[in-house]
Amino acid sequence: QSVLTQPPSVSAAPGQKVTISCSGSSSNIGNNYVSWYQQLPGTAPKLLIYDNNQRPSGIPDRFSGSKSGSSATLAITGLQTGDEADYYCETWDTSLTAGVFGGGTKLTVL
Amino acid sequence: EVQLVESGGALVQPGGSLRLSCAASGFTLSVYSVTWVRQAPGKGLEWVSYILSTGTVIHYSDSVKGRFTISRDNAKNSVFLQMNSLRADDSAVYYCARVRGSQLARAYLDYWGQGTLVTVSS
Repeated sequence: QSVLTQPPSVSAAPGQKVTISCSGSSSNIGNNYVSWYQQLPGTAPKLLIYDNNQRPSGIPDRFSGSKSGSSATLAITGLQTGDEADYYCETWDTSLTAGVFGGGTKLTVL
Repeated sequence: EVQLVESGGALVQPGGSLRLSCAASGFTLSVYSVTWVRQAPGKGLEWVSYILSTGTVIHYSDSVKGRFTISRDNAKNSVFLQMNSLRADDSAVYYCARVRGSQLARAYLDYWGQGTLVTVSS
């Protein structure tokens, strides 16, 4: 059971928009910053979003992040088949004094 | 080009030990903190351990505390994960990742290695 809760899967058609939620508590998301990672099949994770809503250079603006209270959301617009991957949220947990990941969400582009 | 390369993964018996290495190239690892993350076959990512650039701050997940030890040799541009008393549920691909962010509350992992596979089985 992960400390951060994500839906196991989401799906949408090419060109559409999808959102992935990440729910935590005051000891993690509520008082710390959230990052998001994309893991394509058979590859290492890749940073998508940091500081709740910042994109590293090279990440298209189709990807955006937001945070409200103890929850965070990753939004992907203009879906492409190449976006099919597992997506993970991550943050620091002040009570555990450890980093924590969400359980991951598998995105299927129909 | 920034690169992290893990090594040391192997098949080991339950109760055994293994030492993983994370070597950096393309940047000076000594000024960065490093985190180890693992992923069991078919499962999600699990945060394992963190070490500050200076080695003076270290954190572990509860699942490995007391069994794993993270360390670094900045002269060799490397970070290590000593794993003792290994169990079947430690079987996973182990990734090292470079940490950015001015404090742990803002930490994120901007570069990852390709991972090294640890299998614990008799």
